[in-house]
Amino acid sequence: DQQVKQNSPSLSVQEGRISILNCDYTNSMFDYFLWYKKYPAEGPTFLISISSIKDKNEDGRFTVFLNKSAKHLSLHIVPSQPGDSAVYFCAASAFYGGSQGNLIFGKGTKLSVKP
Amino acid sequence: EPEVTQTPSHQVTQMGQEVILRCVPISNHLYFYWYRQILGQKVEFLVSFYNNEISEKSEIFDDQFSVERPDGSNFTLKIRSTKLEDSAMYFCASKTSGRALGQFFGPGTRLTVL
Repeated sequence: DQQVKQNSPSLSVQEGRISILNCDYTNSMFDYFLWYKKYPAEGPTFLISISSIKDKNEDGRFTVFLNKSAKHLSLHIVPSQPGDSAVYFCAASAFYGGSQGNLIFGKGTKLSVKP
Repeated sequence: EPEVTQTPSHQVTQMGQEVILRCVPISNHLYFYWYRQILGQKVEFLVSFYNNEISEKSEIFDDQFSVERPDGSNFTLKIRSTKLEDSAMYFCASKTSGRALGQFFGPGTRLTVL
């Protein structure tokens, strides 16, 4: 049961261009969405998040967009840099019913930024 | 910058043996989690822990698993009798208040069960 889906296993972009990573979810009870970046042999690193009451959140080169009606979110990285090359995980959480916000992850998208 | 630490980085064990994976969460954090990632698969939630008790656990977290916060700093995951399918990266995570954004993850322990 994939509640969080990242349908693109990989993405390759040129340095300086925009990277757009997509994520879909099925559970309408999710109220926080997060993006994590992961390098090999390291733990996921929190990047940016968005509450379900917003449709956009921006932090430097990273912007997350949320379309609740479509149950879709995306992460935009502008401009992309070679150091952004990593696996990006979309995650969602819900705080209903006393849940403490455990994260449900997608399978990840491997981003390669070419110089 | 404070970080979550985990030991050991790699644990090799024989099937049926007990293992204890250790984590030191960020000091002012109150919520603690264990996740695992089997090679090639997604990161999966195992258990959350708050106020010295389990808050939630997934279907994966069966009777072979237990967690403990034995003192003010450590948070451990014990697997009582390891199986081959327990081989995975195990990540500890922590965060501050309940609705705080972003759990902070440790570097993980690679568990190999032979």
